[in-house]
Amino acid sequence: VQLLESGGGLVQPGGSLRLSCVASGFTFSNDAINWVRQAPGKGLEWVSVIGGSGASTFYADSVKGRFTISRDNWKNTALLHMKSLRAEDTAVYYCARAPTTVTPPIVYWGQGTLVIVSS
Amino acid sequence: SYELIQPPSVSVALGQTARITCEGNNIGKKDVHWYQQKPGQAPELVMYRNTNRPSGMPERFSASNSGNTATLTISRAQAGDEADYYCQVWDSNTGVFGGGTDLTVL
Repeated sequence: VQLLESGGGLVQPGGSLRLSCVASGFTFSNDAINWVRQAPGKGLEWVSVIGGSGASTFYADSVKGRFTISRDNWKNTALLHMKSLRAEDTAVYYCARAPTTVTPPIVYWGQGTLVIVSS
Repeated sequence: SYELIQPPSVSVALGQTARITCEGNNIGKKDVHWYQQKPGQAPELVMYRNTNRPSGMPERFSASNSGNTATLTISRAQAGDEADYYCQVWDSNTGVFGGGTDLTVL
């Protein structure tokens, strides 16, 4: 099982960035994909989740209206489109899989990609 | 919005039992998951749905959930158990993490 994030980097406040998560080693369409972030020296913050088919998506209030989660099951890829970025969005962003059950645990995490929002 | 409160730090003597709490309003009615994160690493699931251990997780790890408090218990604590521990629940289709607890093994 592998989740490989990419797309992080330095971006100016107000800018946009797209994170990618490429999955392997499991049936991608069977699982929900979460994005969870961790600001430097801080705790975990859940960001967003997309269901296995992509039909259902949910967001944390802190990113609602600015971030969009999507997936392409043919390419085993999940995306997180981020716009209107703020300094407080600076964090390591983890892609993480969870079963498509009610209140599932997050069973596997990628190694994360760092996003820095700064001028 | 739903909140989970954890103590910032817990210390335990080598070989003794550590207990990490996670407080939330009627958390006993929710499924609680626990994650371990060592420095520089991604989190790892250590307990799920209150009392279940993932395959390969030592039996030294256990958990309970009742009322307004969920508890992760680590028996016979080892130096390798030093890490940050996070509780997590789902509330109205959104994920919620506790603030995390830094476990020190003395």
